[in-house]
Amino acid sequence: DQQVKQNSPSLSVQEGRISILNCDYTNSMFDYFLWYKKYPAEGPTFLISISSIKDKNEDGRFTVFLNKSAKHLSLHIVPSQPGDSAVYFCAARSGGTSYGKLTFGQGTILTVHP
Amino acid sequence: DGGITQSPKYLFRKEGQNVTLSCEQNLNHDAMYWYRQDPGQGLRLIYYSQIVNDFQKGDIAEGYSVSREKKESFPLTVTSAQKNPTAFYLCASRKQGAVEAFFGQGTRLTVV
Repeated sequence: DQQVKQNSPSLSVQEGRISILNCDYTNSMFDYFLWYKKYPAEGPTFLISISSIKDKNEDGRFTVFLNKSAKHLSLHIVPSQPGDSAVYFCAARSGGTSYGKLTFGQGTILTVHP
Repeated sequence: DGGITQSPKYLFRKEGQNVTLSCEQNLNHDAMYWYRQDPGQGLRLIYYSQIVNDFQKGDIAEGYSVSREKKESFPLTVTSAQKNPTAFYLCASRKQGAVEAFFGQGTRLTVV
């Protein structure tokens, strides 16, 4: 049972425009949600997180929105840059601060065209 | 420099052989994790450990074993019981109380 889903395998965006990456989850017990960026043959790099009690968190060009009633979160990148081209994973945390297990979605390949 | 080191980056083994992947961190993090990445399936949790000499199975622990004898080290053994061992393996660590985990650069294991 996939508890975290990214239904769009890929997204193509023009440089300077907004990129919106989506993620859905099923487990109401997740207490934090995170976004990671990954290049091929490298480890994921943490981008931004949001607590389940918030609905928005912003860090520079990156904003994450959380809709708890819909069990949906999204990552907005504005403006998009060619260097943003990578695979983006959303992740959800369970187990609290003790174990901090992260469950990942399948990833979305973002391509930003110059 | 503080960080997580996985070695080797590429590893080839014959079918039926056990192989151990190394993961070392000098971040003084308490929790450590092993994930596996397969194309189109995201990252799946194999094992995790909160403290020395304690670890728990993740979602796909069958065919794998771990040890946590030192805080900075969390080696993963891929045994011959693992049906499809060829994959990209990622180790991560997390500071107590922090939300995010930090990842190593990964080891690509190919079994022939």
